[in-house]
Amino acid sequence: GEDVEQSLFLSVREGDSSVINCTYTDSSSTYLYWYKQEPGAGLQLLTYIFSNMDMKQDQRLTVLLNKKDKHLSLRIADTQTGDSAIYFCAEEVYGGSQGNLIFGKGTKLSVKP
Amino acid sequence: KAGVTQTPRYLIKTRGQQVTLSCSPISGHRSVSWYQQTPGQGLQFLFEYFSETQRNKGNFPGRFSGRQFSNSRSEMNVSTLELGDSALYLCASSSTSGSSYNEQFFGPGTRLTVL
Repeated sequence: GEDVEQSLFLSVREGDSSVINCTYTDSSSTYLYWYKQEPGAGLQLLTYIFSNMDMKQDQRLTVLLNKKDKHLSLRIADTQTGDSAIYFCAEEVYGGSQGNLIFGKGTKLSVKP
Repeated sequence: KAGVTQTPRYLIKTRGQQVTLSCSPISGHRSVSWYQQTPGQGLQFLFEYFSETQRNKGNFPGRFSGRQFSNSRSEMNVSTLELGDSALYLCASSSTSGSSYNEQFFGPGTRLTVL
């Protein structure tokens, strides 16, 4: 079935840029998403990108999509301690036993002051 | 608009018992999806309901079931609880289901601990 892979941990210093990478397998995915989960909370949609786009910028967030390599990345500029959380990449598929969203296992971002 | 609410937030049960979790979607949303989140397996899809009908189901045993009411509120039930059912159960609602932008809004989850 479909699979989404991402590295498990990332540590950066406050003020630096963070780059979280993700690879996916379903080439027919229409939308790809980045979600953020803070401790004890549900998932919050950060941003998404349509599959016919290469890049999307939204304030401090930049999403890059390489469809050929099925690679997605999320760049957070000027990372703050409040950005410490787990970030999930998700691809949208239609139907099937995995549901409409296939999630990676999440990347835990730690921001050091 | 109020967000997705889930009750209860925390639950402790023992093996063999059953449990019912509740989810109230955002007003006007007709699609409700349930996910199980564990440290080992990550987020796994349980099922999706749309207009009171189960549209999609994940690879979970029959002990996991759900339903949706006419007001779009949804419940999931787990019977004969096992230790491995300990997890955070997340509910997500969206206004559409299908081949269009599908922003899912997640609730805070119900933390189930099975002893």
